[in-house]
Amino acid sequence: EDQVTQSPEALRLQEGESSSLNCSYTVSGLRGLFWYRQDPGKGPEFLFTLYSAGEEKEKERLKATLTKKESFLHITAPKPEDSATYLCAVQAWHQGGSEKLVFGKGTKLTVNP
Amino acid sequence: DSGVTQTPKHLITATGQRVTLRCSPRSGDLSVYWYQQSLDQGLQFLIQYYNGEERAKGNILERFSAQQFPDLHSELNLSSLELGDSALYFCASSLGSGGEQYFGPGTRLTVT
Repeated sequence: EDQVTQSPEALRLQEGESSSLNCSYTVSGLRGLFWYRQDPGKGPEFLFTLYSAGEEKEKERLKATLTKKESFLHITAPKPEDSATYLCAVQAWHQGGSEKLVFGKGTKLTVNP
Repeated sequence: DSGVTQTPKHLITATGQRVTLRCSPRSGDLSVYWYQQSLDQGLQFLIQYYNGEERAKGNILERFSAQQFPDLHSELNLSSLELGDSALYFCASSLGSGGEQYFGPGTRLTVT
């Protein structure tokens, strides 16, 4: 069974204090790993897709990396507007072609001014 | 704005009732997915449709059903509602060949 574990559950940072969020996964055959941002009461907003170990993607203050067992979301010099819950999800190769996402429970990030 | 629309935004109903949630995917997307998000369970996959056909089922209760219409919009029907069905229900869409899914704003269902 595909599983995703995110840590920490919650993270408080001061503005400008860089850190990393972790996503560990077990999947039979990785088709893709996805990072989303979710604000309270809103739908998840797509950030990145990573397909193979060693791949990296960047967007503004965020950088996602992937190894064979985990992914990291690095946040450099965060601002209060980066406060949100960050979700990690995996998509596996399945017989029958399902493209369902299996999500972790997320890391709630709070950035204080 | 992801381009995925969902109606209604909020729904309050009583136990035992039946409701229908509606989703319109992004233009050009053939796959529609339904997810349920509750505080303790996180985001859970319910069901996927691709170009009108059911493609995969997840943790969807027998009281729940869905369909995708020829214009590719989808409806999720929830019946014999229980208190535990209170949650956020999200629809997502994708081209259908893997890759990222784009989520709608969700429908918040409250069962009283």
